[in-house]
Amino acid sequence: EDQVTQSPEALRLQEGESSSLNCSYTVSGLRGLFWYRQDPGKGPEFLFTLYSAGEEKEKERLKATLTKKESFLHITAPKPEDSATYLCAVVPDMNRDDKIIFGKGTRLHILP
Amino acid sequence: EAQVTQNPRYLITVTGKKLTVTCSQNMNHEYMSWYRQDPGLGLRQIYYSMNVEVTDKGDVPEGYKVSRKEKRNFPLILESPSPNQTSLYFCASSPRQDGVNEQFFGPGTRLTVL
Repeated sequence: EDQVTQSPEALRLQEGESSSLNCSYTVSGLRGLFWYRQDPGKGPEFLFTLYSAGEEKEKERLKATLTKKESFLHITAPKPEDSATYLCAVVPDMNRDDKIIFGKGTRLHILP
Repeated sequence: EAQVTQNPRYLITVTGKKLTVTCSQNMNHEYMSWYRQDPGLGLRQIYYSMNVEVTDKGDVPEGYKVSRKEKRNFPLILESPSPNQTSLYFCASSPRQDGVNEQFFGPGTRLTVL
C-alpha cells in the first residue's frame, strides 16, 4: 500500500536553530513529491516540487532534497514566522491513477 | 486575482439533509480535487477530476458525490450527511491534467453535521 510518513509529528526550535523535517514514502514509483506549508485555519500553500532522486530546491531559509526513499525539508536559521505545519505529498506511479497522497504533517514551532 | 473559492466557509447541518459545497477556480486549471482534513489523519483525497466530465475516486469517496460539468467548477455533494463527515474540507486545482504539479488550495469549508 502506498504510504507517506512524516517525522517528527511536532518540533519546537529556538529562533536560529536549524533542523530538518523528514518525509519517507513507500510507493511503487514516484511521479512527484511536494512540500506545502499550512497555517492554522488556512489552505496549504505550495513550497516545492521534486521529481527525481538527487534533486534539490531552495527558497529563502528552506531547502528540499529527495532520495529514492525519502525527502528532507531543511530549515536554516528559522524565524518565528516559519512556524506552521509542513505537509509532504506524493503522486505514485502505480496504475497512473493520478491520486495524491499526503502525509500527516509536521507541526513546527519557532520560539523567539 | 488567481484563486480557488469555496462556499460556504462554515456550515452546520443535521444528519440526512442534503448539501452542496461549491468550488470554483479562475486559473483555467485542468485538475481539481477535494480533500478532507481531520486531526491525526491529515489531508485525505475524496475525489478528483482531470477534465470536464471526468471524475475519479480518491482514498475516501464513500458518502460523497462530485460533478465536473464546467472546467472552472467542481462541487462536492453530500446526499445524506452523517456526523462522521464533520470535517474541514479543501478544494484544490492544478494546471496539469495528471495533477503532478503544484496545487492551489481554497480557504476551506468547516462542516459540522449534528
